[in-house]
Amino acid sequence: DAMVIQNPRYQVTQFGKPVTLSCSQTLNHNVMYWYQQKSSQAPKLLFHYYDKDFNNEADTPDNFQSRRPNTSFCFLDIRSPGLGDAAMYLCATSREGYNEQFFGPGTRLTVL
Amino acid sequence: LAKTTQPISMDSYEGQEVNITCSHNNIATNDYITWYQQFPSQGPRFIIQGYKTKVTNEVASLFIPADRKSSTLSLPRVSLSDTAVYYCLVGTMNTGFQKLVFGTGTRLLVSP
Repeated sequence: DAMVIQNPRYQVTQFGKPVTLSCSQTLNHNVMYWYQQKSSQAPKLLFHYYDKDFNNEADTPDNFQSRRPNTSFCFLDIRSPGLGDAAMYLCATSREGYNEQFFGPGTRLTVL
Repeated sequence: LAKTTQPISMDSYEGQEVNITCSHNNIATNDYITWYQQFPSQGPRFIIQGYKTKVTNEVASLFIPADRKSSTLSLPRVSLSDTAVYYCLVGTMNTGFQKLVFGTGTRLLVSP
């Protein structure tokens, strides 16, 4: 089945130690998104790629970066994680011209 | 992006119909109304989308009055597995993709 895959599902890192979360999709969608969802809160958009064009939300901290080497893969890099960055990170995709977004299962990040 | 307001939580029993209303007073002419469902530790899942009047699919119905300032998600005969958070979102296509801004969501608890 076509899907959005996120690895790992659970990630533990240390305060200040860079961490990378990955997302892959078999849907061949040209738009990919990264959301942050903290406990008991709604998902919040960090940035998205429209094909290779990167679009950062205005309030996304500089600590968060992203890479999209090809259509199928997208990475979220957190350069120096703080305790406040502990959250579920959700990857989503959509096809150009269509409203529906397809979400992965998320990666739960713990910062020690 | 139009802001949405929905009840924080709702309780129901198995077999009942559940109606969740969302207010979006400043909805724009080109905006669509979309509902997502999220189970714990999973990414949100698209349920239904509409522009006006009524939309029905195998999962739910969406009722939108003529002024489009509110909408009601109707879940027929809920089961325990419908316990989840339901998000109402309003937005429009922006050069081929839809930027999702999640509100607080409605936490639905279905009891036996």
